[in-house]
Amino acid sequence: EVQLVESGGGLVQPGGSLRLSCEASGFTFSSYWMSWVRQAPGKGLEWVANINQGGSAQRYVDSVEGRFTISRDNAENSLFLQMNSLRAEDTAVYYCARVDDNSWGYFQHWGQGTLVTVSS
Amino acid sequence: DIQMTQSPSSLSASVGDRVTITCRASQGISNSLAWFQQKPGKAPKSLIYAASSLQSGVPSKFSGSGSGTDFTLTISSLQPEDFATYYCQQYKSYPLTFGGGTKVEIK
Repeated sequence: EVQLVESGGGLVQPGGSLRLSCEASGFTFSSYWMSWVRQAPGKGLEWVANINQGGSAQRYVDSVEGRFTISRDNAENSLFLQMNSLRAEDTAVYYCARVDDNSWGYFQHWGQGTLVTVSS
Repeated sequence: DIQMTQSPSSLSASVGDRVTITCRASQGISNSLAWFQQKPGKAPKSLIYAASSLQSGVPSKFSGSGSGTDFTLTISSLQPEDFATYYCQQYKSYPLTFGGGTKVEIK
């Protein structure tokens, strides 16, 4: 069974940093693209970042480009999101998602999410 | 960027009703479209990919259709567990984008 478990969320001041983690199990982690998707309170879903199987290619939504960095450790079956220069508008539940290997870009499996609150 | 527009934004329906939700892309995306269900306080759950392919384990009362710019999600007979918010998502090109959601409520 595919399992994705996020951690690392919490309260941070504007301008601060936070590192999210996602521990994967139940599949060959190194074979899949992975993603982060977020949802602001009471709002819809927003894709944040993608990373390829080996970690050599990353893509970001414009609003986080230059501030967030997605990375992975295939030996540890873990995905990360380093978030710097955080803003109030980054407040959201952040979900880790596995991308389907046949329908690229389709978020086939999701974690339960971790809440990030940016506030003074 | 490809904009995804869902309609309606909310609807009220009764148990047993047939429900159809529409998603329109601002440009052609072939069949690179997925549908998700989300219940309050829970993570999204994948339902449909490639516009009409059912994710493993999802009941056949859910179906998807469409290609190009216009897509639909249909629930053939609404059950109490189906009351939720539904989102479409395009994966034709970056940035990957979602529709605004359709909240299905009990009449």
